[in-house]
Amino acid sequence: EVQLVQSGVEVKKPGESLKISCKGSGFSFSSYWIGWVRQMPGKGLEWMGIIWPDNSDTTYSPSFQGRVTISADKSISTAYLQWSSLKASDTATYYCARRDYGLSDAFDIWGQGTMVTVSS
Amino acid sequence: DIQMTQSPSSLSASVGDRVTITCRASQSISRYLNWYQEKPGKAPKLLIYAASTLQSGVPSRFSGSGSGTDFTLTISSLQPEDFASYYCQQSYSTFTFGPGTKVDIK
Repeated sequence: EVQLVQSGVEVKKPGESLKISCKGSGFSFSSYWIGWVRQMPGKGLEWMGIIWPDNSDTTYSPSFQGRVTISADKSISTAYLQWSSLKASDTATYYCARRDYGLSDAFDIWGQGTMVTVSS
Repeated sequence: DIQMTQSPSSLSASVGDRVTITCRASQSISRYLNWYQEKPGKAPKLLIYAASTLQSGVPSRFSGSGSGTDFTLTISSLQPEDFASYYCQQSYSTFTFGPGTKVDIK
């Protein structure tokens, strides 16, 4: 089965660091761009950035550049999203998704989401 | 950056109704327009890509049309499982999602 499985719920304090993960299976992970999407509580979807796991080529949305770091380890088919210093405004559900060139670059496979709560 | 707008932001409809959602891009995106359905607590699901191509497994009551800057998603006969939020997304130049349209029960 083609799937992306994300790491679990996180509860952190402001100023703490965090790294969440997204593991692919059932497809050649290194041959697809993997994107990250934020959904703040009660809000819409926001594209954050995307990575090519084969060489870690990464593009960020200007809205998230410098605020997060996207990385990948192709040897274990896993992409990561990390923060060095969390803020309360980072409270959201974060999704990873696979970009498919053959489908007009749409995101065809999504992870189940990782809920991150940042609160003192 | 390419901006996306959707209308309406929400609508109330009944089972069996025909529903149309509009999406507009701030510049021409050819047919690089995708539609997603999102239900509470679930990951978004790809419905339509390349403006009008139905993703595998998606019911044929969903259809998409448009090119350039103006696009529509139509649900020909709304079913109980279709009450959800719908987002358009451009994939012409990186990615941008529209603000979403919530479809709820009248």
